Amino acid sequence: GEDVEQSLFLSVREGDSSVINCTYTDSSSTYLYWYKQEPGAGLQLLTYIFSNMDMKQDQRLTVLLNKKDKHLSLRIADTQTGDSAIYFCAEGFAGNNRKLIWGLGTSLAVNP
Amino acid sequence: GAGVSQSPSNKVTEKGKDVELRCDPISGHTALYWYRQSLGQGLEFLIYFQGNSAPDKSGLPSDRFSAERTGGSVSTLTIQRTQQEDSAVYLCASAGGGDEQYFGPGTRLTVT
Repeated sequence: GEDVEQSLFLSVREGDSSVINCTYTDSSSTYLYWYKQEPGAGLQLLTYIFSNMDMKQDQRLTVLLNKKDKHLSLRIADTQTGDSAIYFCAEGFAGNNRKLIWGLGTSLAVNP
Repeated sequence: GAGVSQSPSNKVTEKGKDVELRCDPISGHTALYWYRQSLGQGLEFLIYFQGNSAPDKSGLPSDRFSAERTGGSVSTLTIQRTQQEDSAVYLCASAGGGDEQYFGPGTRLTVT
């Protein structure tokens, strides 16, 4: 069945790079998303990548996609305390706005 | 408005009571989603509205849950005869022509 998996926790030191990993099972997805949820706030779209791309860079964020292994990662360079949040990976499917398959989220703790 | 708004932000109710949760989507967005996020869980899809089409109710967990969207804008999620397992954060999202979903801050429901 459809499934998106993420590790639940990640702890890094301020200034280091963070890498959050996600694996998925449905290879027919068109988009893969990273959402960020800060305490007490709604989800905010951070970035997304089309499934025919291998990499996308957006300032401190780098998304890598390995379609063969169905593996997606989000790298945050120079991690700051303000990056502490829960990061959700989600799969999206073209033409079907409803169908976002979500991971459980990775809680990122940034230590000073 | 500038973003998706939800009200109330917090709701505490007694078991057995009915509750109504409100979502104001971004103006002009035709798609509206309700999700439930329980403690330590990912997002659980509840219901999806797209324009004037019949809503996709496939995610509603029981017939105690219902939702409507009036005039293609504001939506209300109603939970009848609330149970303790209904305690969660209820998130609303809207989307325009693309696939990106914009989330509201959520309503935290606590059933005592």
